[in-house]
Amino acid sequence: QQQVKQSPQSLIVQKGGISIINCAYENTAFDYFPWYQQFPGKGPALLIAIRPDVSEKKEGRFTISFNKSAKQFSLHIMDSQPGDSATYFCAAANNNAGNMLTFGGGTRLMVKP
Amino acid sequence: ETGVTQTPRHLVMGMTNKKSLKCEQHLGHNAMYWYKQSAKKPLELMFVYSLEERVENNSVPSRFSPECPNSSHLFLHLHTLQPEDSALYLCASSQGRGGGYGYTFGSGTRLTVV
Repeated sequence: QQQVKQSPQSLIVQKGGISIINCAYENTAFDYFPWYQQFPGKGPALLIAIRPDVSEKKEGRFTISFNKSAKQFSLHIMDSQPGDSATYFCAAANNNAGNMLTFGGGTRLMVKP
Repeated sequence: ETGVTQTPRHLVMGMTNKKSLKCEQHLGHNAMYWYKQSAKKPLELMFVYSLEERVENNSVPSRFSPECPNSSHLFLHLHTLQPEDSALYLCASSQGRGGGYGYTFGSGTRLTVV
């Protein structure tokens, strides 16, 4: 019930391409879905987040798509750049209950020049 | 600087040593967390403190002992560790207890147990 499953584990994309990372969850009480970005030697940093009352949120080249009925959400990185190479974590929480974030297993993205 | 500072950045310790990891946040947050990051379990929650009280302990072995003397500081005391405890230990803080507040992570302490 508390798991968040993330795929793929690793991803290689050419510069300028679209990177897509998917997550699925089981707990229908989850009401907050953030994505974190982690560069080598650094801690994860909040990238973008969505709540289930909207189906899409866009911030620059980063877009979260949310499908409540399928219990899935995804991160799309448009025009991927080598500087986007990092590990990405999806997460979910029942924020109304004050629950902690449940993180996915992470996706290591490499954008080739 | 993210506002969450962890020291030391790297630590090598023997299995019989005692050491401590330190975390300090300058953000005025009132919840702090310890996470363990390894290849097997990318982000594993260890301890949660809210308003300086421990609110969660995820079945962490007693060789890890947290301490939160005030809302700005968090320690992780280590003793008699095992090689499998080698990992990146991350500290995080948030405005309130709950995932929706957004966590700010430090850069971590890379721990190697020999």
